[in-house]
Amino acid sequence: SQKIEQNSEALNIQEGKTATLTCNYTNYSPAYLQWYRQDPGRGPVFLLLIRENEKEKRKERLKVTFDTTLKQSLFHITASQPADSATYLCALVNYGQNFVFGPGTRLSVLP
Amino acid sequence: NAGVTQTPKFQVLKTGQSMTLQCAQDMNHEYMSWYRQDPGMGLRLIHYSVGAGITDQGEVPNGYNVSRSTTEDFPLRLLSAAPSQTSVYFCASRTSGTYEQYFGPGTRLTVT
Repeated sequence: SQKIEQNSEALNIQEGKTATLTCNYTNYSPAYLQWYRQDPGRGPVFLLLIRENEKEKRKERLKVTFDTTLKQSLFHITASQPADSATYLCALVNYGQNFVFGPGTRLSVLP
Repeated sequence: NAGVTQTPKFQVLKTGQSMTLQCAQDMNHEYMSWYRQDPGMGLRLIHYSVGAGITDQGEVPNGYNVSRSTTEDFPLRLLSAAPSQTSVYFCASRTSGTYEQYFGPGTRLTVT
């Protein structure tokens, strides 16, 4: 069956460091991969989309990589700030436009 | 633009009761979806719609009904609530030209 895993349930890092979150999947061939941010009590907010034929995508302090051979995406936040503390979700999108979400990683950036 | 709105924000039901979760969007998006989010699990798709008058089942449709009579509204009906339906429900919308989904603030439902 299809499965999406995100490296850990929670990740703590010091302010100013780079946070790296992992999304691994099995039995799935996505056309796109997305990352969303979710704050407590709120709905997810779209951050980035990367296509299957793209290796890397950047947006300000965010960087996403996508390796379809390893079936893995890495999500980096450079120069992290306490305001980056949230849960981050990865989502796979196939050509049938079906979305499958991972369970999320809760990131805490400590001052 | 209000974006995607959901009502109510919180709801407590007794087993066997029925109710409708409301979702509306003012962005003229064709696609709308309902998800449920449970601890330790990803968002799971309940039902979705690709336009007014067109709906289809997602991964976990049992116990839920939807209809889409207008582009703006996509209500989710619980026919006979069960404790297993205790969850946080999110409505989302997007245009047909992108995969960026806009989510509402969610409805936290407890079934006792």
